[in-house]
Amino acid sequence: DAKTTQPPSMDCAEGRAANLPCNHSTISGNEYVYWYRQIHSQGPQYIIHGLKNNETNEMASLIITEDRKSSTLILPHATLRDTAVYYCIRQPFGNEKLTFGTGTRLTIIP
Amino acid sequence: DGGITQSPKYLFRKEGQNVTLSCEQNLNHDAMYWYRQDPGQGLRLIYYSQIVNDFQKGDIAEGYSVSREKKESFPLTVTSAQKNPTAFYLCASSIARGGDTQYFGPGTRLTVL
Repeated sequence: DAKTTQPPSMDCAEGRAANLPCNHSTISGNEYVYWYRQIHSQGPQYIIHGLKNNETNEMASLIITEDRKSSTLILPHATLRDTAVYYCIRQPFGNEKLTFGTGTRLTIIP
Repeated sequence: DGGITQSPKYLFRKEGQNVTLSCEQNLNHDAMYWYRQDPGQGLRLIYYSQIVNDFQKGDIAEGYSVSREKKESFPLTVTSAQKNPTAFYLCASSIARGGDTQYFGPGTRLTVL
């Protein structure tokens, strides 16, 4: 049970906005949407999370559809250092375990 | 400079030897976690601890042991009973149990020869 569906890979030109989609059509009301990324051979890095409303921080924006069945992570001005695997995760409140799928491998093209 | 440290970054051991991986955090987080990652795959939870002197098994605890004697430290021992110990091991912490954002260390890559 993958729980979230992401494209396996994407390319984005440096300086452009990178839009990473995630489908979570069976999400429950108590589940947050979390985004992490993992640069090769490093630990995952927290990016952003949300429940219903759109969220923005210094790294990215998270757009969640009104029905909460999908979301999009937006990196507004991608740089080469944004090349990584991006994971979209559903995490129920009160659940200790993060369930990582295989994510989207984002490559930023110079 | 707050964060989570794991040492060493690379570790080599002979088959049949126990090995202990270090994880320290100075974030004053109550909860700590150990995950295992195999090539091309997601993370799998080994053990977690919500408070000092208490810990619970995750999905793949067999062949591993942990201790939580101090809030800052959560060492993981990979025992000889673990059948396939070669992997990338990640430690994480969160402010409190369940549902809080988890912050990860840099990881330890263990290779058993």
